[in-house]
Parts: sequence; C-alpha cells; structure tokens
Amino acid sequence: EDKVVQSPLSLVVHEGDTVTLNCSYEVTNFRSLLWYKQEKKAPTFLFMLTSSGIEKKSGRLSSILDKKELFSILNITATQTGDSAVYLCAVEGQGAQKLVFGQGTRLTINP
Amino acid sequence: DGGITQSPKYLFRKEGQNVTLSCEQNLNHDAMYWYRQDPGQGLRLIYYSQIVNDFQKGDIAEGYSVSREKKESFPLTVTSAQKNPTAFYLCASSIPGLNSPLHFGNGTRLTVT
Repeated sequence: EDKVVQSPLSLVVHEGDTVTLNCSYEVTNFRSLLWYKQEKKAPTFLFMLTSSGIEKKSGRLSSILDKKELFSILNITATQTGDSAVYLCAVEGQGAQKLVFGQGTRLTINP
Repeated sequence: DGGITQSPKYLFRKEGQNVTLSCEQNLNHDAMYWYRQDPGQGLRLIYYSQIVNDFQKGDIAEGYSVSREKKESFPLTVTSAQKNPTAFYLCASSIPGLNSPLHFGNGTRLTVT
C-alpha cells in the first residue's frame, strides 16, 4: 500500500527563522511528488518533483527529492507570518492516476 | 477566470439524511476527484473520475456515491450509510496523464448531528 509520512506534524518558529519540512514515502513505481500549501481552504500547488537531486525554487521556498532514500524536503528561509499554513506532501505512482497525501505539517510563524 | 466551485461552504444535516455536495469546474479538465480531510489525517481519496460517465472508488468510498454525467460536474452524495460523515470535503480536478498538479476547490464543511 502506498504511504506518505510527513514530519514534524507541527512546528512553531519565530519570524525570520529557516524551517525544513520532511516527507518520506513508499509508492509502487514512483512518478512524482508534490507539495501544497493549505491556509484556510483550498490547497495551493507549490512544487512538483520527478527527478532526484534537482532543486526546485520559488522565492524563499525550495524543495528537493531523493529517490534513492525515498524522501523530499521543503525549505522556507526568512519565514514570514504569511507562511503560516498546513503544508501537504503527496505522491503519485505510475498508472495510479491518483495522489496519496501525507498528514500534513502545521507551520506557525510567530512575529 | 477558470476554477473549481464547491457549494455550499457549510452544510448541516441530521443523522440519517442523505446530502449532496456540488463541484463544478470550468478548467476543461477531464479528471475530477473527491477528498475528505479530517484533523491529523491529511487528505483521503473518496472517488475519482478520469472521464465522463466513468468513475472509480478511492480508498474510503463506503457510504458515498458520485455521478459524472457532464465534464464540468462531479457531485458527491454522502449517504446515511457513512458512519462518520462530519468532515471537510475537497473537490479537485486535473489533466490526466500529463504530470499536471491537482487544482482544488475551496471545500465544503459538512456537520452531521
């Protein structure tokens, strides 16, 4: 059975800190790993990773995938209160045509 | 502006009643999905549909039913057989087979008492 585990489940830091969120997975015939940010309602897409070792970057956010060790990390530098959200990791297996989500990491940034 | 519209935002029902959640998209996506979100459990897949008039059960389909008569619409019915229906329900769509990410609606929060 495909499985995604995120850690930590909850994280509280001060504005300006750097955070690293973890996602490990077990999936048959890995196809892609995705990160989403969920503030109140609809999760919004951040990154899709398919190749090992290639960093995806968007402003202060970056993510990288390790297909050998079966994990991904999401880094946020110089955090702001607007980064407070639940961050979701999901994986898709070849031919599965559906995503399996982790439990999410609730990130709180205090001013 | 293209997007996914879920309605209503909040829904309250008495136990034993069936209830239907609406999901409409104008993104011209073939694939649509229903997920359920409970605290501490992430998103779990209820049903998905890759094409009109076809749909498959997800991981937690018991007590739910769907239809896909039009490309734009994928309503979810929560039946009285669903043991714990109170949850946040998210609808999503995508272009299947092109490594394209899911686009989500704003969700419906269902409370059954």
